[in-house]
Amino acid sequence: GIQVEQSPPDLILQEGANSTLRCNFSDSVNNLQWFHQNPWGQLINLFYIPSGTKQNGRLSATTVATERYSLLYISSSQTTDSGVYFCAVVRPGGGNKLTFGTGTQLKVEL
Amino acid sequence: GAVVSQHPSRVICKSGTSVKIECRSLDFQATTMFWYRQFPKQSLMLMATSNEGSKATYEQGVEKDKFLINHASLTLSTLTVTSAHPEDSSFYICSASSGLGTGLFGTQYFGPGTRLLVL
Repeated sequence: GIQVEQSPPDLILQEGANSTLRCNFSDSVNNLQWFHQNPWGQLINLFYIPSGTKQNGRLSATTVATERYSLLYISSSQTTDSGVYFCAVVRPGGGNKLTFGTGTQLKVEL
Repeated sequence: GAVVSQHPSRVICKSGTSVKIECRSLDFQATTMFWYRQFPKQSLMLMATSNEGSKATYEQGVEKDKFLINHASLTLSTLTVTSAHPEDSSFYICSASSGLGTGLFGTQYFGPGTRLLVL
């Protein structure tokens, strides 16, 4: 099956710092999404981004489908950004089945 | 809008008992629901996909007789862990899709999860 690797696995930031999270996938995909899982376990949709660039406030994402990677940028990080960030993909012919990446655990400190 | 609830949020049970987890779409009709399992410090793994009124489709390696899934209505799916054992202890998350929204098959909205501890 498709492999979805994220880096770095862990990241500690000081509040106000910027960061870039990466998602590499091993095969072509129809769909790529970024999620934030808060410390209580709730998954929050951040971006649906099979290609191109999108921005939402302090967050932005870029997917280069031809090179099989996506990046999530967090600017001016806040303590509420802490949690785990997952990318998830859908393979062609995979219906709506999401394959989640390995995740990046982010901790933002004061 | 697009709220998905799960009940219970936490459950502790003895080994050998069965546990039922409910997943409800509160403000939309979910034609498809998904069940995921997440072990500590790990990613989400899809267990099964269910369409309303149809039998669930299980992912490879998931025992369908152990994890019974019922999607009896457009707003409710249940996961029953039968004869639970300590290795079934995990965080179970459901998601629901109406087929509308982003992508070819619509947006998945996730429930808050259920933590199961089997003693």
